[in-house]
Amino acid sequence: KAGVTQTPRYLIKTRGQQVTLSCSPISGHRSVSWYQQTPGQGLQFLFEYFSETQRNKGNFPGRFSGRQFSNSRSEMNVSTLELGDSALYLCASSSGRTTNEKLFFGSGTQLSVL
Amino acid sequence: DQQVKQNSPSLSVQEGRISILNCDYTNSMFDYFLWYKKYPAEGPTFLISISSIKDKNEDGRFTVFLNKSAKHLSLHIVPSQPGDSAVYFCAASDLKAAGNKLTFGGGTRVLVKP
Repeated sequence: KAGVTQTPRYLIKTRGQQVTLSCSPISGHRSVSWYQQTPGQGLQFLFEYFSETQRNKGNFPGRFSGRQFSNSRSEMNVSTLELGDSALYLCASSSGRTTNEKLFFGSGTQLSVL
Repeated sequence: DQQVKQNSPSLSVQEGRISILNCDYTNSMFDYFLWYKKYPAEGPTFLISISSIKDKNEDGRFTVFLNKSAKHLSLHIVPSQPGDSAVYFCAASDLKAAGNKLTFGGGTRVLVKP
């Protein structure tokens, strides 16, 4: 089975721009979660989508948004980029059938905001 | 407000010896705890978990201990191997909540010296 795929692997943007990150979950998985990793801060939960609906949301500003498509693929968008948005963005998938299952993570998208 | 804390950012241990990683949490709603391991340029991978109804869970060289009254858990790796060199994240969740939402600690970087 193919793992969780995130594209692109690296991104460089400038302040004020917007960016879209993509995540393809493991085949058959219907839940996709997004996390932001910054040095020393661990992974911070952004949001979770299940069957095209946002099921959980973290404490991030409205500039961070996401969506999920009928094939379970998910995109995350960050508008009006700030320097502090530089981070590794990780996507994780699970079947979504039960609460708090083991998550399978992709390798992440490294975003640098200049 | 960090609800999950890993107070040791790094740990160095000799091959064959025990590695002990610690994690503290503040949210009493958390009842399920996980450890993830992360190598550079890869996403985190699940290592071991424990629910609050147990105080110990073992899987091969890895054992997780949970002290609910102290809101503290630890991961023991015995014996440590050079391939264990990675960043380890402690995570917690509330099984009563819908969906998947993990709260992670800041991580501990482990270096196992041959």
